[in-house]
Amino acid sequence: DSGVTQTPKHLITATGQRVTLRCSPRSGDLSVYWYQQSLDQGLQFLIHYYNGEERAKGNILERFSAQQFPDLHSELNLSSLELGDSALYFCASSVGWGHDAGELFFGEGSRLTVL
Amino acid sequence: GESVGLHLPTLSVQEGDNSIINCAYSNSASDYFIWYKQESGKGPQFIIDIRSNMDKRQGQRVTVLLNKTVKHLSLQIAATQPGDSAVYFCAENGSGNTPLVFGKGTRLSVIA
Repeated sequence: DSGVTQTPKHLITATGQRVTLRCSPRSGDLSVYWYQQSLDQGLQFLIHYYNGEERAKGNILERFSAQQFPDLHSELNLSSLELGDSALYFCASSVGWGHDAGELFFGEGSRLTVL
Repeated sequence: GESVGLHLPTLSVQEGDNSIINCAYSNSASDYFIWYKQESGKGPQFIIDIRSNMDKRQGQRVTVLLNKTVKHLSLQIAATQPGDSAVYFCAENGSGNTPLVFGKGTRLSVIA
């Protein structure tokens, strides 16, 4: 158990809909990262927050947004869903950030299926 | 469920043999490297890490080798067991604010 909690574990929805994925980082970790893992790709970095502030953005679509709340949990919002958004979405946390963030601890992921 | 897809390099080894998984990294500014293991339906788990001031680090049954000259990283698993079957990712810390950058992954299949 990494200490990172993600909900829901599975989600099935229709095209055009909006979903919210939730992540609670390990106790004491200030950084939260979101990654997308599709069938034909590895772990694609989406976005990183540190202590409530956005620190880095990867290949995140404009239809997607995220935030980190004062209690350090984070939510990833996916809207106007398309079939290609079906993927595993992972949250990870670390104590620090940037070049010296060290090890990332991953949650079990949220599997999104868009029909 | 499946954690990754159909287009990963695959390494098949006999149970009890040693496994070597290779990774080429891209950023010469990277000075921290991690190997992760991802079992089916689970999140990536830390296996071992190494900093650029070292060229070898050993853990329990695993060894990571770093060759900075050719930007190459390898993971050696001794006496491979069925429980080692998984996808293995290398990751580098890049430069600046960039979070860990993951390689494509290699699927290890252990034949009993």
